[in-house]
Amino acid sequence: DAKTTQPNSMESNEEEPVHLPCNHSTISGTDYIHWYRQLPSQGPEYVIHGLTSNVNNRMASLAIAEDRKSSTLILHRATLRDAAVYYCISNTGNQFYFGTGTSLTVIP
Amino acid sequence: KAGVTQTPRYLIKTRGQQVTLSCSPISGHRSVSWYQQTPGQGLQFLFEYFSETQRNKGNFPGRFSGRQFSNSRSEMNVSTLELGDSALYLCASSRGPQGYEQYFGPGTRLTVT
Repeated sequence: DAKTTQPNSMESNEEEPVHLPCNHSTISGTDYIHWYRQLPSQGPEYVIHGLTSNVNNRMASLAIAEDRKSSTLILHRATLRDAAVYYCISNTGNQFYFGTGTSLTVIP
Repeated sequence: KAGVTQTPRYLIKTRGQQVTLSCSPISGHRSVSWYQQTPGQGLQFLFEYFSETQRNKGNFPGRFSGRQFSNSRSEMNVSTLELGDSALYLCASSRGPQGYEQYFGPGTRLTVT
């Protein structure tokens, strides 16, 4: 099973950029990399996904390493509403494997 | 457009009983996936249904089962409940098979006593 590893927790100051890393060294060539986040007392929420090249949307950017063994979710300006657990997921065999996630604390 | 709805939101059951949880996907979505979330194990994939067929199943015992109806609504059933089944059960829907953007419901909090 392709697994992902993330730091347990990170902190960021409000309005500063945040770079959330993820290692997925066993990812196969056709596995997408997805990011979801879970706010307190809510179900997970889609953030972004990609395969090989960097991706941008209104919420975040996803930078994927050339060898695809790691990726970084970039929140360009952290707000208090971005405080959540961020999950990096590899999509293997059409199954989603959620890791333990990174708990992001945003400091006002 | 209405989001994913799950019923009931909270449930208390006794060991040995069985329980059925319901999930209504977003209109037009044909794929429904179920997950179990516990503090110790995190989010774990249970199974996925697409067009009334189970496409994938996670590593859970046969006491966990599910089905999908022709209107894409899905139910999951847990028989012979154990204390360890206490968890938040999340349902997610997507337009196509897993790999597409998934939309999660608020979950059903099951407590087994």
